[in-house]
Amino acid sequence: GAGVSQSPRYKVAKRGQDVALRCDPISGHVSLFWYQQALGQGPEFLTYFQNEAQLDKSGLPSDRFFAERPEGSVSTLKIQRTQQEDSAVYLCASSPRVPDTQYFGPGTRLTVL
Amino acid sequence: DAKTTQPTSMDCAEGRAANLPCNHSTISGNEYVYWYRQIHSQGPQYIIHGLKNNETNEMASLIITEDRKSSTLILPHATLRDTAVYYCIVRVDQGGSEKLVFGKGMKLTVNP
Repeated sequence: GAGVSQSPRYKVAKRGQDVALRCDPISGHVSLFWYQQALGQGPEFLTYFQNEAQLDKSGLPSDRFFAERPEGSVSTLKIQRTQQEDSAVYLCASSPRVPDTQYFGPGTRLTVL
Repeated sequence: DAKTTQPTSMDCAEGRAANLPCNHSTISGNEYVYWYRQIHSQGPQYIIHGLKNNETNEMASLIITEDRKSSTLILPHATLRDTAVYYCIVRVDQGGSEKLVFGKGMKLTVNP
């Protein structure tokens, strides 16, 4: 079946621009996660949704980062006033129930110039 | 979540078994051991997980020591496509924090 999809796959932004990254989880999956992966590092947790409720946003690095999942399926990660240190791969994962194995999308590579 | 320790890198010959070690000496009784791998420019791929007993699936086998302080992921017949960064993670599976805490992982290179 279809896995987790993310769009765009690549995004180049000028410093100060706002960006929106989309995640389509596996259909019916309850949990959705966002991770950030800097070059040469393992993924780091950003935020977690159970259906439409954002239960953990402890990993969001600043108030410029905002995530939503209004109908409990598709999620958007928004970064306002992007800075060079935001350059990374942003990964989305979903799992069918709580708790369960997480399945990852291909990621969005964000480059801030 | 308990921390894990893995070698930085390992080489393996194509067709041979690859044995990937992981230490998790501070693991708690309710923490599972998960293995993921990440091939260049792709998202992490789930491989296998276990609590106490050894586990096997179509991808790999997971051997967990009796004291649960270490484990080994076994790829029985490594292929060039198994070249990737492998992450060993321990995680509580009782609700609450669901996040995965990744380390730097171990780079496995399968050589022809």
